[in-house]
Amino acid sequence: AQTVTQSQPEMSVQEAETVTLSCTYDTSESDYYLFWYKQPPSRQMILVIRQEAYKQQNATENRFSVNFQKAAKSFSLKISDSQLGDAAMYFCAYRSLDHISNFGNEKLTFGTGTRLTIIP
Amino acid sequence: DTAVSQTPKYLVTQMGNDKSIKCEQNLGHDTMYWYKQDSKKFLKIMFSYNNKELIINETVPNRFSPKSPDKAHLNLHINSLELGDSAVYFCASSQDRGSRPQHFGDGTRLSIL
Repeated sequence: AQTVTQSQPEMSVQEAETVTLSCTYDTSESDYYLFWYKQPPSRQMILVIRQEAYKQQNATENRFSVNFQKAAKSFSLKISDSQLGDAAMYFCAYRSLDHISNFGNEKLTFGTGTRLTIIP
Repeated sequence: DTAVSQTPKYLVTQMGNDKSIKCEQNLGHDTMYWYKQDSKKFLKIMFSYNNKELIINETVPNRFSPKSPDKAHLNLHINSLELGDSAVYFCASSQDRGSRPQHFGDGTRLSIL
């Protein structure tokens, strides 16, 4: 079974600065997907960024980028120019690439989350 | 238009009661999920359905029974509620295969008195 570890329960960053949230995972699979989700106090689960394991290029979405190190099984999230609206819980998630025709067997396995505080 | 909608958003009830949470998605997705988020914010899969067929059932007590009348709906019925069932329950949906992400509802906070 896959596991996802987020070793930083809490992080804080000054507004406009850069912060990196760490995530490591354990899997024996070669193909899979990785995601970062954001959960603000409103409780919504919002997709921040995704990465396909077969792609070497790191994904970027505006101020959000990842550092994907497949050999090290590491998937960190970098937030540049931090804004007050970035304050939230951030969850790293793993999803298998199901080669078998059993649709629907693609659950997300989540890490325990990192609470990010933005200091004005 | 809301993509994945859950009702109710809040549910307060007493131990021993039976309650249901409804979920609907208008994204045309084939797969729907239920996740449970506990008091420490940990999210864990409970069930998944693909085209009304149960695919994942992750060691959830029999008191929890999902029902999918069609592929756009996945409801969660809970019998004989216990204190430990207090949590936030999220419904999600996704299209089959690929890196398409799961889209989540806003969650239902269930509180057992």
